[in-house]
Amino acid sequence: DAGVIQSPRHEVTEMGQEVTLRCKPISGHDYLFWYRQTMMRGLELLIYFNNNVPIDDSGMPEDRFSAKMPNASFSTLKIQPSEPRDSAVYFCASSPMGAKNIQYFGAGTRLSVL
Amino acid sequence: AQSVTQLDSHVSVSEGTPVLLRCNYSSSYSPSLFWYVQHPNKGLQLLLKYTSAATLVKGINGFEAEFKKSETSFHLTKPSAHMSDAAEYFCVVSVGGNTPLVFGKGTRLSVIA
Repeated sequence: DAGVIQSPRHEVTEMGQEVTLRCKPISGHDYLFWYRQTMMRGLELLIYFNNNVPIDDSGMPEDRFSAKMPNASFSTLKIQPSEPRDSAVYFCASSPMGAKNIQYFGAGTRLSVL
Repeated sequence: AQSVTQLDSHVSVSEGTPVLLRCNYSSSYSPSLFWYVQHPNKGLQLLLKYTSAATLVKGINGFEAEFKKSETSFHLTKPSAHMSDAAEYFCVVSVGGNTPLVFGKGTRLSVIA
């Protein structure tokens, strides 16, 4: 398996623009997680899904952030409109049923909002 | 609520010398504990996990960690550092169920030739 695949690896955009980050989890994994990593706040869980259903979105910063998982092999994290304080590395991770906490991470998307 | 404290933000060792990365946790329940490693521009990778079995846990790349309930610690060690060990290391705690993983702030390990 190729592991968790995230795209794009780098994104540079201007304030106010819409940004969409993409994730393909490991085939057969039932859980999918979105994290944000910054120097100031470290690694924060934004939202996670179980069998494509959002379970906990309490980490989503505000209404500008939304996440979807239309099927078992694809998820998106959207920021609209983007702001400079959204600049961070965004990670997607997945894990199998029965081992929710054994998470496999993608390489991340480095987002810069100018 | 659970929390984890990594006592050093940066550790520097010489190649071939022992590594010690310190982690203390706080949890109301019996925790599961993990160490993850993040190499530059990469995602996090699981090094090892403790889930209430043996208190001394062996992981990949020669790392191991010992769960000490009396000290609420889960320190990561390696007998001999290699240049490729230079990375960021995260101590993580979980109490299971629907509670999310709680990550420490990370310890950056530098290995000097």
